[in-house]
Amino acid sequence: GAGVSQSPRYKVAKRGQDVALRCDPISGHVSLFWYQQALGQGPEFLTYFQNEAQLDKSGLPSDRFFAERPEGSVSTLKIQRTQQEDSAVYLCASSPRETGQGSDIQYFGAGTRLSVL
Amino acid sequence: QKEVEQDPGPLSVPEGAIVSLNCTYSNSAFQYFMWYRQYSRKGPELLMYTYSSGNKEDGRFTAQVDKSSKYISLFIRDSQPSDSATYLCAMFHWAGSYQLTFGKGTKLSVIP
Repeated sequence: GAGVSQSPRYKVAKRGQDVALRCDPISGHVSLFWYQQALGQGPEFLTYFQNEAQLDKSGLPSDRFFAERPEGSVSTLKIQRTQQEDSAVYLCASSPRETGQGSDIQYFGAGTRLSVL
Repeated sequence: QKEVEQDPGPLSVPEGAIVSLNCTYSNSAFQYFMWYRQYSRKGPELLMYTYSSGNKEDGRFTAQVDKSSKYISLFIRDSQPSDSATYLCAMFHWAGSYQLTFGKGTKLSVIP
C-alpha cells in the first residue's frame, strides 16, 4: 500500500477484555514503531522493531502490553486485561532505515482509537 | 520538567498571517529536530527535519534551530485555512536505545 495502515480504526472494549491492534507498515520498511497518544498530548514511545527483532520495549507501560512482528512486516500490539487508563490513540510508524543510522524519518498511520469502558 | 516543552495553545490567526510555533528542550544530546503536522483523527505527518543549528526553508515553512538556547521554531508564512491542525515538535537522539520525544503539540486555527 501507499502508506502505513492500521486496523481497526476504532475499538471499544470492556474493562478486562484483551485487544489486538494491527499495523501494516510501508512495504520494505525496516523499522516499525508503536506510540500511545493520550488526548491533548504528543505521542509517547512504546516499542520498536528492526525487522522481526524487538530492540526496545522500554516504553511499554506494563506487562499487560505485548508487541510482535514475527515476519518482519505486519505488527500486532496486544493489550491484555484492558483498563480505563489504556484509552488512547495507538499510532504505528515505519521507517525505511535501521534506527540509529542518521536521520530517522518516520511515516505514521492514522492510528487506532481505543476506548475502554 | 519534561524533556520537551511546547505551548499547547490554542492559537488562532487570520488567514495570511505569519505563524510562529516554538519548543524548548532540556536534553543537549538531541541531534535531530522535526516538526510534524497532525490533522484531527489522522496520524502525524512529517513537515520538516533539521540536524544543525540554523534555518531550513521549504515553501511557506521555515524551521529554525538554536542549539545554544535549546530552542526550535517553525514559521508559517501566508497561513491558509488548510494549515489548521496540531503541530508537534519532535527530537531524536541515539543513546544505545531508541529516543524520539514529542512535544504536546500546538493547536492552530487559521481563520478565513
